[in-house]
Amino acid sequence: AQSVTQLDSQVPVFEEAPVELRCNYSSSVSVYLFWYVQYPNQGLQLLLKYLSGSTLVKGINGFEAEFNKSQTSFHLRKPSVHISDTAEYFCAVSDLVGNEKLTFGTGTRLTIIP
Amino acid sequence: NAGVMQNPRHLVRRRGQEARLRCSPMKGHSHVYWYRQLPEEGLKFMVYLQKENIIDESGMPKERFSAEFPKEGPSILRIQQVVRGDSAAYFCASSPEAGGRNEQFFGPGTRLTVL
Repeated sequence: AQSVTQLDSQVPVFEEAPVELRCNYSSSVSVYLFWYVQYPNQGLQLLLKYLSGSTLVKGINGFEAEFNKSQTSFHLRKPSVHISDTAEYFCAVSDLVGNEKLTFGTGTRLTIIP
Repeated sequence: NAGVMQNPRHLVRRRGQEARLRCSPMKGHSHVYWYRQLPEEGLKFMVYLQKENIIDESGMPKERFSAEFPKEGPSILRIQQVVRGDSAAYFCASSPEAGGRNEQFFGPGTRLTVL
């Protein structure tokens, strides 16, 4: 069984400041890792994903994430946030083999303060 | 290329009624997933379907819930005799191929309210 933990349910950040959203996972098998963003009353949009190779992954809207196998983490970062980054962010995992379903964390609500 | 379409966007039902949620995947996608998002929670997997086949329904409640993805037409998530606890946002996602590495494209969701 897999699980994803997002410890921070809400993160307020001043505009143009850096931000890190934390994600830790637990799995008995190797996984793929994803970050999705959900804007109010919308579906989820993929920000970035880690499949293999370089542990630093760059995504859309200036976001990046780093896979750390020893710490089973996949934290999301952005060096300078904008008002438009206000949204809910979900970390998710899926199995390498079979089992295409995504297992999601409970989400982190990022609020940008002008 | 239109994205994943879901309708209705909002659905209100009284306890005991039936709810039917529709999902049209992206063009060329034959894999459909349904997830449920309860208030203040993340998304929980419900069911994974390919055309005319249920591949994984491990997240579906044992009673009152069913899903189908016919050869023609949208995928349908059906909830019979709804209860207040069924109030949630239901999201559909689609992908072009099987395999966990593939991006799932999400629809805007159907927000079900049970009175």
